[in-house]
Amino acid sequence: QVQLQESGPGLVKPSQTLSLTCTVSGGSISSGSYYWSWIRQPAGKGLEWIGRIYTSGSTNYNPSLKSRVTISVDTSKNQFSLKLSSVTAADTAVYYCASGGGVAVDYWGQGTLVTVSS
Amino acid sequence: EIVLTQSPGTLSLSPGERATLSCRASQSVSSSYLAWYQQKPGQAPRLLIYGASSRATGIPDRFSGSGSGTDFTLTISRLEPEDFAVYYCQQYGSSPQYTFGQGTKLEIK
Repeated sequence: QVQLQESGPGLVKPSQTLSLTCTVSGGSISSGSYYWSWIRQPAGKGLEWIGRIYTSGSTNYNPSLKSRVTISVDTSKNQFSLKLSSVTAADTAVYYCASGGGVAVDYWGQGTLVTVSS
Repeated sequence: EIVLTQSPGTLSLSPGERATLSCRASQSVSSSYLAWYQQKPGQAPRLLIYGASSRATGIPDRFSGSGSGTDFTLTISRLEPEDFAVYYCQQYGSSPQYTFGQGTKLEIK
């Protein structure tokens, strides 16, 4: 069973870049046909998909965030990462890393709260 | 972009009752691309249903999904205390790849 764990700073200053890493265990990030996604959820609100990377390295991003998002993978560490630039208070949320075969999200990390504040 | 609208926003029921949650899409969605998730406070969402009607691994058979086109339904046949949570529908599309409904909160009456 795939397990996912997010890590990274819990506090980011406005205009800076938010950086998170997801460590995958229970399977290789480069095997199988999995998409590795980032999804966020502001407090008390719904879910917003940020983007995903395939095992081949190809990426898809939410058009609303595309200009600020980069998702990459490090197969040697079995990790994938999120960078979100020029953050504002509106980017404060719980960030989940997740994975699935494509049409749905099967596995989720526990989530990590990132607060944007000076 | 396809917008998913869930109703009702809040559903108040008692254990043992039947729950019916609705998800309506702004455009037709392939049944293969519609999923439902359950989220409890402080936890990550959990996949319940994919392909509109297929239960994910380990999901009890009291959970069922149905629908096609623009109207989809999640039914919980007989509510257990652990079923009270927020439920989200999600569709898979071209761009963005995943969009979620705003959620239905199922609360104890």
